[in-house]
Parts: sequence; C-alpha cells; structure tokens
Amino acid sequence: DIQMTQSPSSLSASVGDRVTITCRTSQNIRTYLNWYQQRPGKAPKLLIYAASSLQSGVPSRFSGSGSATDFTLTIRSLQPEDFATYYCQQSYGTPLTFGGGTRVEIQ
Amino acid sequence: EVQLLESGGGIVQPGGSLRLSCAASGFTFNTYGMIWVRQAPGKGLEWVSGVSGGGGNTYYADSVQGRFTISRDNSKNMLYLQMNSLRAEDTAVYYCGKGSVEGYDYYYGMDVWGQGTAVKVSS
Repeated sequence: DIQMTQSPSSLSASVGDRVTITCRTSQNIRTYLNWYQQRPGKAPKLLIYAASSLQSGVPSRFSGSGSATDFTLTIRSLQPEDFATYYCQQSYGTPLTFGGGTRVEIQ
Repeated sequence: EVQLLESGGGIVQPGGSLRLSCAASGFTFNTYGMIWVRQAPGKGLEWVSGVSGGGGNTYYADSVQGRFTISRDNSKNMLYLQMNSLRAEDTAVYYCGKGSVEGYDYYYGMDVWGQGTAVKVSS
C-alpha cells in the first residue's frame, strides 16, 4: 500500500496568511495526487486533482504542486471560510489512501 | 444538478449486516467510477471500496475485503455497499463519491459526494 505522510497535522493562521501543507508518498505516484477540504460535519470537497489542476468552482487562491513523492497545497491568502481540515489522497492505485489530514485553525 | 444521496445507515449489532444505498442524479451514471469512503468519529478519511462505471471492476480495502460488497445498478442510477460481519471498528459515517472524469474511475479524484450516512456497530 502507498503510505501518505501529511504535515503539519494542524496549524494556526490568520486571515490573509499564506498557508502551505505538504504531502509525501511512500512511492512514486507521478501526479496522481488530489487535495480535499472538509468542514466539520460535511462531506469532502475536491480542491485540486492531478497534483496541480484546480477543480471547477474552487477559488484561485488554492494551488497545488509537486510530482513523484512530494506535493504541496498552498492557500495564497487565507479566508474565513478556509478554516477546515485538508486531506491529500493518492489515486495512482488501489487501495486509495489519504493523508492523516491538516486542521487549519484560526489564530 | 449533480447529486448523490446516501441511505441505509443505522445501528447494528456486531456480526450483523447492513446495505447502504447511494442514489445518483444529474449525470450519466454509468460512465463514472464510484467509491465509498468512511470516517470514524473524530478520525480521518478512509477509502473503503470502488467500482468502475460499467460495474466490471471492483476494489476493496483490506479491512473490508471478504465482508463488504460494492455493486451498482446502472438502470436505476444506484450504488450499493453490502456490509456483512460488521465489527465495532466499522462504526463511521459512510460517504459515496463520484469520479471527476468520465471513464477514468478514481484517477482524478472524486468531485461530488453525498451527505453521508452513519453506521454504528454496537451491542
């Protein structure tokens, strides 16, 4: 199975801050990496697919980069609605696996 | 509007069975892969199972292999998860998700999700 190491597990930030979340995989997954946002009690929401492609309707302050084993999600200017938990997920092969999540909290 | 609506959750005793359903609408159901993901209380997301658009390919997490069965009825736009031999560790909210790219199963993430259905396994 492909292991996902996401960091940090939590962070505190202020509105307007630039936030970076990293995800490392245990093997080369090319660019089969997706990022999701999940608010409490809600379903996941796809933000980025194929490592760097912005899902339709997602604000452009979200961006993704990386390939092979190292990936990054960046939120350029944090907005109040961005306080949530973020998950990376590999879709290179089954079993699909998720990172442990990064909880973004208000500072 | 593209929509997924899960149902079938509830409280069941260890060793029991449940069948979850996911009703799809607003898209050509039989051309998209579908998955089930679960989230135990206070925990992260865990992929459970997936199925190709035509239903010919199915995939399972090791933790449910042999106990859960995913299926779909493309004539009814329905996705199912038959869960047998349930254990306490299967307690979670279960979400169904739709592949984001037609014909590519799960490769490009899941762009539509249901609201979730809660399963509690307890005596």
